[in-house]
Amino acid sequence: GAVVSQHPSWVICKSGTSVKIECRSLDFQATTMFWYRQFPKQSLMLMATSNEGSKATYEQGVEKDKFLINHASLTLSTLTVTSAHPEDSSFYICSARRTGRNEQYFGPGTRLTVT
Amino acid sequence: QKEVEQDPGPLSVPEGAIVSLNCTYSNSAFQYFMWYRQYSRKGPELLMYTYSSGNKEDGRFTAQVDKSSKYISLFIRDSQPSDSATYLCAMSVNDYKLSFGAGTTVTVRA
Repeated sequence: GAVVSQHPSWVICKSGTSVKIECRSLDFQATTMFWYRQFPKQSLMLMATSNEGSKATYEQGVEKDKFLINHASLTLSTLTVTSAHPEDSSFYICSARRTGRNEQYFGPGTRLTVT
Repeated sequence: QKEVEQDPGPLSVPEGAIVSLNCTYSNSAFQYFMWYRQYSRKGPELLMYTYSSGNKEDGRFTAQVDKSSKYISLFIRDSQPSDSATYLCAMSVNDYKLSFGAGTTVTVRA
């Protein structure tokens, strides 16, 4: 159990366009999901915390208007990178916290390349 | 000073050896401690989760927490080439936000 999926696994887009990444908890309900960014050979950097049915909480330095997060159900959160630029190219990973528990389970990640 | 310190390695061991990984932390409010394994270009996989001082064993993995010294360890017995990965320690207070170490890259040589 505790499987988290992400879609797409990789995406290439042109500068100025928007990209949506989905994160789903497949076999459990997740009141809280997290979005991370990871640069090569670096650890994960928390971008935002999303709670089902409420607005996301963004970490300091993360532009909320650029990285739109929606957590519409207990099994789905989406991250939309708006007006993407080459510096947004990165590995984006989501995690889901099983409702009532503290453990976080991570998705396989989405590699975004902006040309 | 970083909140969580972890030696990035790299660490190379022969097959069958014991892998020893550790992290230190400065925030005494941390209550939950985790170890994740991450293969290249994949998401982290939860290996061990503990919330009390002492040892926790799961198969070939043993997690050790010493809250008085603010020190956690992960031991991998009978290491296999498939254990080659980056190992991340993570910890949190009660608000579910994880603070990660830098990750240690481990290579198990066949």
